[in-house]
Amino acid sequence: AQRVTQPEKLLSVFKGAPVELKCNYSYSGSPELFWYVQYSRQRLQLLLRHISRESIKGFTADLNKGETSFHLKKPFAQEEDSAMYYCALGTDKLIFGTGTRLQVFP
Amino acid sequence: DVKVTQSSRYLVKRTGEKVFLECVQDMDHENMFWYRQDPGLGLRLIYFSYDVKMKEKGDIPEGYSVSREKKERFSLILESASTNQTSMYLCATLTAAAYQPQHFGDGTRLSIL
Repeated sequence: AQRVTQPEKLLSVFKGAPVELKCNYSYSGSPELFWYVQYSRQRLQLLLRHISRESIKGFTADLNKGETSFHLKKPFAQEEDSAMYYCALGTDKLIFGTGTRLQVFP
Repeated sequence: DVKVTQSSRYLVKRTGEKVFLECVQDMDHENMFWYRQDPGLGLRLIYFSYDVKMKEKGDIPEGYSVSREKKERFSLILESASTNQTSMYLCATLTAAAYQPQHFGDGTRLSIL
């Protein structure tokens, strides 16, 4: 079955601390993986995708096919990173995880 | 920049009413989607459409129907609204090319009283 698991509902850190938002997927084919972010009162928007291998707003995510993971990382969290983060698996449609709320305290 | 417009940001309806949520996109994308977003449940796919007059059930289609008469417009219909359909509804579009992200509208927060 195709599934995306985000085990943490809430992650709270202090400003400057490292952040890792976990994402594991289940898919038999070659996965397309994305991270979406939703800031307060804003629309859901793409943060990054594995195919681009890019760093956006200091965030990176590496696809680990052996562990079927696509964890989102940032070495030094900022207060403006506080948001809801969704990992998504692309097939003929997008399958979303349940999301992780990141809170960054000053 | 892709623009996905949902007709209402907030909507309040009564139990038993027929409710229409409209979504319009301006980028000629083939695929359109309706999700509902609930705390702790993430985004769940209700219906999607690959082309005009085509529709496919998502994971939670019960109590909903859709209409896609024109490529740019995808409507979600609650035939007889119930309180458990109170939620945030998100429309999204996607081009047919591989590895492209979905583009989302602002969402409609629907309350059924």
